[in-house]
Amino acid sequence: GESVGLHLPTLSVQEGDNSIINCAYSNSASDYFIWYKQESGKGPQFIIDIRSNMDKRQGQRVTVLLNKTVKHLSLQIAATQPGDSAVYFCADPGGATNKLIFGTGTLLAVQP
Amino acid sequence: DAGITQSPRHKVTETGTPVTLRCHQTENHRYMYWYRQDPGHGLRLIHYSYGVKDTDKGEVSDGYSVSRSKTEDFLLTLESATSSQTSVYFCAISRAEDEKLFFGSGTQLSVL
Repeated sequence: GESVGLHLPTLSVQEGDNSIINCAYSNSASDYFIWYKQESGKGPQFIIDIRSNMDKRQGQRVTVLLNKTVKHLSLQIAATQPGDSAVYFCADPGGATNKLIFGTGTLLAVQP
Repeated sequence: DAGITQSPRHKVTETGTPVTLRCHQTENHRYMYWYRQDPGHGLRLIHYSYGVKDTDKGEVSDGYSVSRSKTEDFLLTLESATSSQTSVYFCAISRAEDEKLFFGSGTQLSVL
């Protein structure tokens, strides 16, 4: 079935290092992808999105890369800070409802 | 949280009792969604609405019903709560079907 998944459930990085969170998707027709950040006890917060006509999109300290050939996208966080500690989800429209399908998330732990 | 208010924030109830969760938005967005979030499953779509009195099922709709009588309010009802419905429930809104979702802060529901 169609799904959005993440390669690593937990990622531990040192403060100041760059973080890379990966996501694989299976629906080759997906044309829109979103990254969310969820801090403990809060709702998911939109970070950045990308459409399939782009390979790369940059935000403030974040970059999303999309590789449609292998159906993979990644979220890069530059100079990771303690405030970046959270669970990160990728999502894309898929499934029978054509509504956003979320992966189970990657926990990013930033070590001081 | 993007003009979204969920109520209550926490609720404890007993098996077999009816429960209604409320989502209120001030953004006048057309689309509203209810998700549940459980460990190991990520966010799963319960029901969504694409306008007043227009609703449809998501992937985990059994045991839930929804109503939308006004643009700003989307209600989720558990007619007879079960322990398997213990979860964190998130409301989300979007301006269009293929645009990013904005989430509320969530409702923690415990069914004993």
